[in-house]
Amino acid sequence: AQSVTQPDIHITVSEGASLELRCNYSYGATPYLFWYVQSPGQGLQLLLKYFSGDTLVQGIKGFEAEFKRSQSSFNQRKPSVHWSDAAEYFCAALNPDNYGQNFVFGPGTRLSVLP
Amino acid sequence: DTEVTQTPKHLVMGMTNKKSLKCEQHMGHRAMYWYKQKAKKPPELMFVYSYEKLSINESVPSRFSPECPNSSLLNLHLHALQPEDSALYLCASSHGATLVIGELFFGEGSRLTVL
Repeated sequence: AQSVTQPDIHITVSEGASLELRCNYSYGATPYLFWYVQSPGQGLQLLLKYFSGDTLVQGIKGFEAEFKRSQSSFNQRKPSVHWSDAAEYFCAALNPDNYGQNFVFGPGTRLSVLP
Repeated sequence: DTEVTQTPKHLVMGMTNKKSLKCEQHMGHRAMYWYKQKAKKPPELMFVYSYEKLSINESVPSRFSPECPNSSLLNLHLHALQPEDSALYLCASSHGATLVIGELFFGEGSRLTVL
């Protein structure tokens, strides 16, 4: 079955510290991969996406992510976290055949930022 | 600014009421989605419309009835809901064309409370 996992349910970092959020997928073929961020009570905003090509992708808000086929991972990083980054982060995948448009979401990682 | 607009932002209804949630996008997207999200959980797919035809129904109870009047509008009609249906209902859209990769664009959601 197709699935997306995020091993960390909750991460706490200090403002200014670096951050890594982990995402693993289980698909028959390499899916298209996305990271979304959700602030409390809001919709989801796209941070990053990977379709093909360069395995290091740059996103908004200073985030970058690296696709590693050998590890079935799409982890994202930020060198210096800001208090406004506190939110819920969801990794998502889409079957590469694109039929059905069925995006699969991971369970989410909640990020808390200490002053 | 989100390009997917949802109304109302908040809705309180009794179990015998009939109400509707509305979603609108003007990006020319041909796939539109309803997701249900409970607190601290990822979005859960309910329905997908592709080219104004229902393409995915994730075994959603019949008290939820989707409607896609045209390519820009998506409604979710609610009737005889249960308190456990209280959640954030998210609308999303994507390019939707076969073999055209596109991410999901989300609205800010409609917060539904069923009394």
